[in-house]
Amino acid sequence: DTGVSQDPRHKITKRGQNVTFRCDPISEHNHLYWYRQTLGQGPEFLTYFQNEAQLEKSRLLSDRFSAERPKGSFSTLEIQRTEQGDSAMYLCASSLFLDTKDEKLFFGSGTQLSVL
Amino acid sequence: AQSVAQPEDQVNVAEGNPLTVKCTYSVSGNPYLFWYVQYPNRGLQFLLKYITGDNLVKGSYGFEAEFNKSQTSFHLKKPSALVSDSALYFCAVRDFDNYGQNFVFGPGTRLSVLP
Repeated sequence: DTGVSQDPRHKITKRGQNVTFRCDPISEHNHLYWYRQTLGQGPEFLTYFQNEAQLEKSRLLSDRFSAERPKGSFSTLEIQRTEQGDSAMYLCASSLFLDTKDEKLFFGSGTQLSVL
Repeated sequence: AQSVAQPEDQVNVAEGNPLTVKCTYSVSGNPYLFWYVQYPNRGLQFLLKYITGDNLVKGSYGFEAEFNKSQTSFHLKKPSALVSDSALYFCAVRDFDNYGQNFVFGPGTRLSVLP
């Protein structure tokens, strides 16, 4: 399968613990996005990368959240000191950006986080 | 800020009947509009987009969408629904104002096609 891969599929953690999620984008895709989705809502933007550079971060993203994309390939999203409100599906998407008009996102299946 | 609204949480349609999933948008400047579909336990999949040009846009799986500037709408349509079309549908717009090139998604509409 050459689609966007996310690991793990499910994560259950206790409040206050740190968690890290991984996203492997489609090979050669230069843009990578992280979204959060809660039940009954659409995906909510968190941050995005152009190659290894993190270009945008949502104002909703607290300092407990950090994302990296070393070498412009896979990306990790870390949440420190998790809270119950962090429980959500975390989605990763990638795209081959050549022109704004042609950009199309390819999504992974997501990581479902449950904070107890 | 750019935004989209999907006024219906749920749409039910009988198999073989035409379907419409509604979306309205609010943007400054020219809108870049998209439809994505999410099947259970699957990632969102791109259906179609409107950037410029013809108001009727054709996409994957027989879906099409009609861009209406005066009504600020971008409704998703299909002439004959299939049971396999049952899924969650999201309208989205590029937000060039706040987040560079970010995509902003609506809350989604659950489509149920009844056999």
